Amino acid sequence: DVKVTQSSRYLVKRTGEKVFLECVQDMDHENMFWYRQDPGLGLRLIYFSYDVKMKEKGDIPEGYSVSREKKERFSLILESASTNQTSMYLCASSLGTGKAFFGQGTRLTVV
Amino acid sequence: EDQVTQSPEALRLQEGESSSLNCSYTVSGLRGLFWYRQDPGKGPEFLFTLYSAGEEKEKERLKATLTKKESFLHITAPKPEDSATYLCAVQASGTYKYIFGTGTRLKVLA
Repeated sequence: DVKVTQSSRYLVKRTGEKVFLECVQDMDHENMFWYRQDPGLGLRLIYFSYDVKMKEKGDIPEGYSVSREKKERFSLILESASTNQTSMYLCASSLGTGKAFFGQGTRLTVV
Repeated sequence: EDQVTQSPEALRLQEGESSSLNCSYTVSGLRGLFWYRQDPGKGPEFLFTLYSAGEEKEKERLKATLTKKESFLHITAPKPEDSATYLCAVQASGTYKYIFGTGTRLKVLA
């Protein structure tokens, strides 16, 4: 089965730090996604990528950027972390249409 | 605007007490509807994909159905291990994005 691996389960960062969240998938999927999940708000799409070096903004891209230099890796970057970016971050991948596979999530706390 | 609404927000059931979770959606052409299960602190785990009205899928105590405006996740004789948050998502025609509802938190009591 597809494996989507996020580099960290838990992270604690200071306000103003640049933060990198890494995601790797092992099934040659074209599409990769970054969501954040907050209580009562569900999963909200930050960015997605449909090919290497291609990206599209999701619903809440402000304060974030992404990088996809290789097909299997999709990185989320918090340019200058703020406390309102404390959240659970979920990476997913998919092959065109069809189900998305999720990583285990990264719980980020910004202090 | 494409939208997914799930109800109820939370549901408590006694073991063996069957019930249904609702997912209402508004999309400009449905490419697929997906159900996921999410345990606390973990990523969502795929359950079902439904593509067209009238379609049904089953897995153990779970059965998902689809109409043109909503989907139901029926849970028959639930057990405590079915306790989780159940998420519904849609993928609209012309896009690869998934739009999620806010989920239903299910608690099954022994």
